Amino acid sequence: EPEVTQTPSHQVTQMGQEVILRCVPISNHLYFYWYRQILGQKVEFLVSFYNNEISEKSEIFDDQFSVERPDGSNFTLKIRSTKLEDSAMYFCARELNTEAFFGQGTRLTVV
Amino acid sequence: DAKTTQPPSMDCAEGRAANLPCNHSTISGNEYVYWYRQIHSQGPQYIIHGLKNNETNEMASLIITEDRKSSTLILPHATLRDTAVYYCIVRDRNAGNNRKLIWGLGTSLAVNP
Repeated sequence: EPEVTQTPSHQVTQMGQEVILRCVPISNHLYFYWYRQILGQKVEFLVSFYNNEISEKSEIFDDQFSVERPDGSNFTLKIRSTKLEDSAMYFCARELNTEAFFGQGTRLTVV
Repeated sequence: DAKTTQPPSMDCAEGRAANLPCNHSTISGNEYVYWYRQIHSQGPQYIIHGLKNNETNEMASLIITEDRKSSTLILPHATLRDTAVYYCIVRDRNAGNNRKLIWGLGTSLAVNP
């Protein structure tokens, strides 16, 4: 199973601060995703990234969010000005064939 | 919204087969059935997927009814480490840019000693 490494595993930030969540997938995958899961709720799709550009995004993924693949291996999710309701587990995933492989997640706590 | 319906919880004795049902009565001809699981807020883990034929891999078996409106995931010899939330998801395998997974609440499987 392809390994997906996410850093940090846990981040605490103050409301209004910017955070960057990082993911290291294998570079020969084409599709990358970010999902999030608020405690006790469903996993929610945020954004998909194909061929170095966003291919689909959800209503959650507003102007406060952005994604990049700056060096061809790392895949980042940036939240510009965090809100309390951004507190959640954030999962990066990559797709091999049609199966998605997920990282262990970053727990973001906004205080 | 998720196109699947699953029971919220199930129990299984360790060593016995766990049979997890899923209804997907509105599945279309191009949509596959995928199963993932999530162990205690860890990242979801891919298990298996299928179109219309039964599938088996090292983790599980997937039985899809002939009309494709329902399926069953079978863990043949459940262990305590199989305790997790199991998600049944339908998705068009060749979805182009519409490849996201839409998650429901899944089935919380408790494997008991």
